[in-house]
Amino acid sequence: QVKLVQSEMEAKKPGASVKVTCKTSGYTFGSYDITWVRQAPGQGLEWMGRVSPYNIEIIRAQKFQGRLIMTADIDTSTAYLELRNLRFDDTAVYYCARGGSQKYFDSWGQGTLVTISS
Amino acid sequence: QSALTQPASVSGSPGQSITISCTGSSSDFGSYNYISWYQQHPGGVPKLLIYDVGNRPSGVSNRFSGSKSGNTASLTISGLRADDEADYYCSSYTTTAAVVFGGGTKLTVL
Repeated sequence: QVKLVQSEMEAKKPGASVKVTCKTSGYTFGSYDITWVRQAPGQGLEWMGRVSPYNIEIIRAQKFQGRLIMTADIDTSTAYLELRNLRFDDTAVYYCARGGSQKYFDSWGQGTLVTISS
Repeated sequence: QSALTQPASVSGSPGQSITISCTGSSSDFGSYNYISWYQQHPGGVPKLLIYDVGNRPSGVSNRFSGSKSGNTASLTISGLRADDEADYYCSSYTTTAAVVFGGGTKLTVL
């Protein structure tokens, strides 16, 4: 079955960077985009962006321009999110999800809690 | 990009039907039919309920249905059950190739 397994929780200081891993299995990685969504504590879902499996197309939400790097490794069926220059309000659960080009997300990772504190 | 507008909360009794609305601008929805709905139980992962306005993925109960009229999409849950109590989010593909989510609606089953 389709699985997206994310890396463990992270604790970072303001100004640092974090990299979250999304290891996929159970489907052809090259056939689907990977989308990243985050959810701050007690808040709703926020779309961050998506990356195509061959890194040909990368779309980011405007607010993350310059700080967000999304990549995909077709050889290991793994996607990566790197967020730079972290701020306190980047504290959230970060989800990867399968989909993007088909405009919906049908399988989700378990989420990775990223906590920013001094 | 502002979030799509959903009611903060709705409630209903077991067996009843409820509808959750999701309103956006023309730049959010465009002429697309790329509206999807997600269910998230407390502490859980979002689950796809509806895609492309009114399509259900395999395994999702037919008690869940979606529709769209103009710039408002709707999710209807019929035959409410206790385990439907969750947060529900709409999302739309936008004219700028981005995606926007609604603010979420908390469903309480009385």
